[in-house]
Amino acid sequence: DAKTTQPNSMESNEEEPVHLPCNHSTISGTDYIHWYRQLPSQGPEYVIHGLTSNVNNRMASLAIAEDRKSSTLILHRATLRDAAVYYCILRLMNYGGSQGNLIFGKGTKLSVKP
Amino acid sequence: DTAVSQTPKYLVTQMGNDKSIKCEQNLGHDTMYWYKQDSKKFLKIMFSYNNKELIINETVPNRFSPKSPDKAHLNLHINSLELGDSAVYFCASSQDSRAGGNEETQYFGPGTRLLVL
Repeated sequence: DAKTTQPNSMESNEEEPVHLPCNHSTISGTDYIHWYRQLPSQGPEYVIHGLTSNVNNRMASLAIAEDRKSSTLILHRATLRDAAVYYCILRLMNYGGSQGNLIFGKGTKLSVKP
Repeated sequence: DTAVSQTPKYLVTQMGNDKSIKCEQNLGHDTMYWYKQDSKKFLKIMFSYNNKELIINETVPNRFSPKSPDKAHLNLHINSLELGDSAVYFCASSQDSRAGGNEETQYFGPGTRLLVL
């Protein structure tokens, strides 16, 4: 799987928007961009994914650069519950041998201040 | 109703013992996974099963053996436990591991915290 680069940590204030960046300069045309997060002492949780167009769901928005070499996860109003490690992961659209496993990097640890 | 459940939540045991961790999903998914998260918080895939058949077996010691009695269950048996096996083990499931879209969204269990003394 292609490699992603994220900042180690970020801070945000409660009720403010948060933009979490991810660089994936070696992305291929068939790679989906997935975001998961892991709250303290819990298992990872799916947040959002996209291929080329920006995506919105009830948790977040995903903004994908036109060249797809970077993307940004947007939390519109951070809450204390959003404090977690956020992982940006690339997945092949059609699998050869990779068979669905997620390759987690270090992620970005988001702290939210009240 | 918990979608992906694991038992036990905590497991403390002595070196050399054999232990099992159980995982069940009630989502009707075809694929299940085991991940290991070490003390440095890196999450790494160990095994993946699709419809009771092993499809991924990453480089893990053969002391670790997954067993899938049916597609809703994927248990992890560990023989001769070592200190380095101490970690958090996560089970996950997805509808289809090969589609690349919504079907491969993975749902994780709460984790089993294993401590080997």
